[in-house]
Amino acid sequence: KNQVEQSPQSLIILEGKNCTLQCNYTVSPFSNLRWYKQDTGRGPVSLTIMTFSENTKSNGRYTATLDADTKQSSLHITASQLSDSASYICVVRQSGYSTLTFGKGTMLLVSP
Amino acid sequence: KAGVTQTPRYLIKTRGQQVTLSCSPISGHRSVSWYQQTPGQGLQFLFEYFSETQRNKGNFPGRFSGRQFSNSRSEMNVSTLELGDSALYLCASSLEGQVGEKLFFGSGTQLSVL
Repeated sequence: KNQVEQSPQSLIILEGKNCTLQCNYTVSPFSNLRWYKQDTGRGPVSLTIMTFSENTKSNGRYTATLDADTKQSSLHITASQLSDSASYICVVRQSGYSTLTFGKGTMLLVSP
Repeated sequence: KAGVTQTPRYLIKTRGQQVTLSCSPISGHRSVSWYQQTPGQGLQFLFEYFSETQRNKGNFPGRFSGRQFSNSRSEMNVSTLELGDSALYLCASSLEGQVGEKLFFGSGTQLSVL
């Protein structure tokens, strides 16, 4: 069964600190993996997309990594800001299919 | 360019009623997909429409249905509402719905079933 597991479930960090969110998946065959940021009361917004051949991709203070061999991805947030407080969702697409498998998200709270 | 618009923003219904949610995609986008989001299950795929045809369907009962109009606007209908249908319903659009395309989400419709 295709699954996407995210950890931790929730996280509290101080403003200015770094953090790393994890995503493990069993989706096969793999097509791509996206990280989304969802602010409270809003829809998710795409941060990065990773394909099989990519190991690292950055978007400002957000850096995603992918290890397709171990089926793991991480999202590293550098110098966190209060506006980073949100839910971060890992989404994996199976090759040849249009449907997506979603993780349940990591709720991040950046405290002043 | 306007984003994905979902109406209404909030909805309260009682068990047994039916509800229709609306989604207007970004101009030029022809693929519209629908998702249910709950605290316990996270985001789950409902169905996807492209050029007025349902192209993919998730694992939801037949009470959940949808349609897409010629202008790409889409509606989702839930009949015989149950308490467990309380959720945030999100709509997303993309150009063609192809692998690798970015999905643009609306802010959702928060449905509460009493």
